[in-house]
Amino acid sequence: DADVTQTPRNRITKTGKRIMLECSQTKGHDRMYWYRQDPGLGLRLIYYSFDVKDINKGEISDGYSVSRQAQAKFSLSLESAIPNQTALYFCATSDGLRQFFGPGTRLTVL
Amino acid sequence: DAKTTQPPSMDCAEGRAANLPCNHSTISGNEYVYWYRQIHSQGPQYIIHGLKNNETNEMASLIITEDRKSSTLILPHATLRDTAVYYCIVRVLYNNNDMRFGAGTRLTVKP
Repeated sequence: DADVTQTPRNRITKTGKRIMLECSQTKGHDRMYWYRQDPGLGLRLIYYSFDVKDINKGEISDGYSVSRQAQAKFSLSLESAIPNQTALYFCATSDGLRQFFGPGTRLTVL
Repeated sequence: DAKTTQPPSMDCAEGRAANLPCNHSTISGNEYVYWYRQIHSQGPQYIIHGLKNNETNEMASLIITEDRKSSTLILPHATLRDTAVYYCIVRVLYNNNDMRFGAGTRLTVKP
């Protein structure tokens, strides 16, 4: 969905490096999410935010942190990347009824 | 704790109807049935949702059994572009963190 953008689209990094994945949306939604997808599996929720002052942990938040800089921006950070964080990462927004996903960021940690 | 059960894979001939089943025997009275799909490695796309009545939109139809323990997503005239992984999810409306994606059903539409 072009209303939800993610940068970068692909990233290769090394173990121990700090990485930030960024998400922007023009849908005007308050609710934003970060998911991770491993090969052959469904998406798992990392963090979500109801509004700028709200941050909540999801199923698998260990090793990750987030920042909600504005209604339209929600960033995911890996403070010290490790190889098992190699995955496809999706940002999403929601109007409460439906979720709208970005194109994903493919992250490889060597 | 998977709330839904779906077959891992299905095939369908192009132009025919694709019927994707989902079991959700422990669904609660206030939980809706949602369907999303993911084409290749793109972000999932919303398809349809319903509570207990059958629903239809421009993409698909959703048939929910009377006891609400199972449902079927119907793509009336499948095309090659409908090849994707289809996820059945049960959730409460406006709840913020209960989207649980299982492994889904990989639908392959064949010419």
